[in-house]
Amino acid sequence: DAGVIQSPRHEVTEMGQEVTLRCKPISGHDYLFWYRQTMMRGLELLIYFNNNVPIDDSGMPEDRFSAKMPNASFSTLKIQPSEPRDSAVYFCASTLTGDNSPLHFGNGTRLTVT
Amino acid sequence: AQSVTQLDSHVSVSEGTPVLLRCNYSSSYSPSLFWYVQHPNKGLQLLLKYTSAATLVKGINGFEAEFKKSETSFHLTKPSAHMSDAAEYFCVVSDIAGKSTFGDGTTLTVKP
Repeated sequence: DAGVIQSPRHEVTEMGQEVTLRCKPISGHDYLFWYRQTMMRGLELLIYFNNNVPIDDSGMPEDRFSAKMPNASFSTLKIQPSEPRDSAVYFCASTLTGDNSPLHFGNGTRLTVT
Repeated sequence: AQSVTQLDSHVSVSEGTPVLLRCNYSSSYSPSLFWYVQHPNKGLQLLLKYTSAATLVKGINGFEAEFKKSETSFHLTKPSAHMSDAAEYFCVVSDIAGKSTFGDGTTLTVKP
């Protein structure tokens, strides 16, 4: 089991550029979550999917953010255009149905927008 | 609705002494509770979980937590701290739909 795989590990971009973060969940998991972590706001849930369908995107900060899950093994989080305040570590996590199933986190993507 | 309160944002202990990280929760039903650990530049890793089978839950690296329904608490303990325990710890409550609510985290510092 390779765990949740995120790419890239680090991303540095200039303000205004498009950024795409990628996630491969654990095979067989039916929930996928995108989180953002900053010193100021801690860990924030942005959006989550169940069986590839977005369930709750109320945490997405604004229209510049979008997420897709075209199939069970891949998801993307896109920021267009990016701004310096988007700088954070973005985590993807997956889990199985059931309230006693833990989240399995990737190692995150550290995004820096200059 | 559910919520989690981690009562200490920072805890500092000496190596070899006990660790106590406090967590209170609120939930409208019997919750699932978890503790995760995050080391620098890493993702969160599951330490242990409570799922109503037993009130005292043992996890990895010598950690354990006790679910106390009357106190709505799920405090994390370890008898003897090790330098490698220095990290950030998150208490989490999960609902039946799989949505998790995270506490704000407790940073554990271990002094030599």
